[in-house]
Amino acid sequence: ETGVTQSPTHLIKTRGQQVTLRCSSQSGHNTVSWYQQALGQGPQFIFQYYREEENGRGNFPPRFSGLQFPNYSSELNVNALELDDSALYLCASSSGRDRSSPLHFGNGTRLTVT
Amino acid sequence: SQQGEEDPQALSIQEGENATMNCSYKTSINNLQWYRQNSGRGLVHLILIRSNEREKHSGRLRVTLDTSKKSSSLLITASRAADTASYFCATEGNSGGGADGLTFGKGTHLIIQP
Repeated sequence: ETGVTQSPTHLIKTRGQQVTLRCSSQSGHNTVSWYQQALGQGPQFIFQYYREEENGRGNFPPRFSGLQFPNYSSELNVNALELDDSALYLCASSSGRDRSSPLHFGNGTRLTVT
Repeated sequence: SQQGEEDPQALSIQEGENATMNCSYKTSINNLQWYRQNSGRGLVHLILIRSNEREKHSGRLRVTLDTSKKSSSLLITASRAADTASYFCATEGNSGGGADGLTFGKGTHLIIQP
């Protein structure tokens, strides 16, 4: 069973640039969600995709967008980067839309915006 | 916004002792989950307790849920050095709409002294 993998592990960008983060879901999982974790804080929900469609979104502006592909891999795109976007970005997969499905997290991408 | 609040923020105990962490939340929930995060890595699901359950066990873990007080506790018995990590509670709402994602607290940082 292949777990959730994210790439890259670390990334440094300049304010105003755009970034794309990638995630491969655990095999058999068709739901993927993205979380932002600032230093010393708990993860915050960005959005969730189920069968290639966004079916839930947290309190994040439209410059945070995503995609889910037919093989259930996913991308998180962030435009017009701001200093406060510096954080650990976590991808998590689960099976189905069941609200009680535990999430399986990747190890995250550490984004630094300078 | 973060609904769950863990208490204490940090806890240091001797190996072999029991560790208890508490979590409070604000709104009605479908279930409450506990996750562990080792430094700089992804979160690992530990246990899920549904809103109609009061207590649940998994190995050395015991979780309780009191929906009238909107609180939960996680007990780790016979702690080991490998239990050193941050522990988060996460709640899933029952809004009935699209996916709400999990709402995490800020976590309890547990240190097990050998």
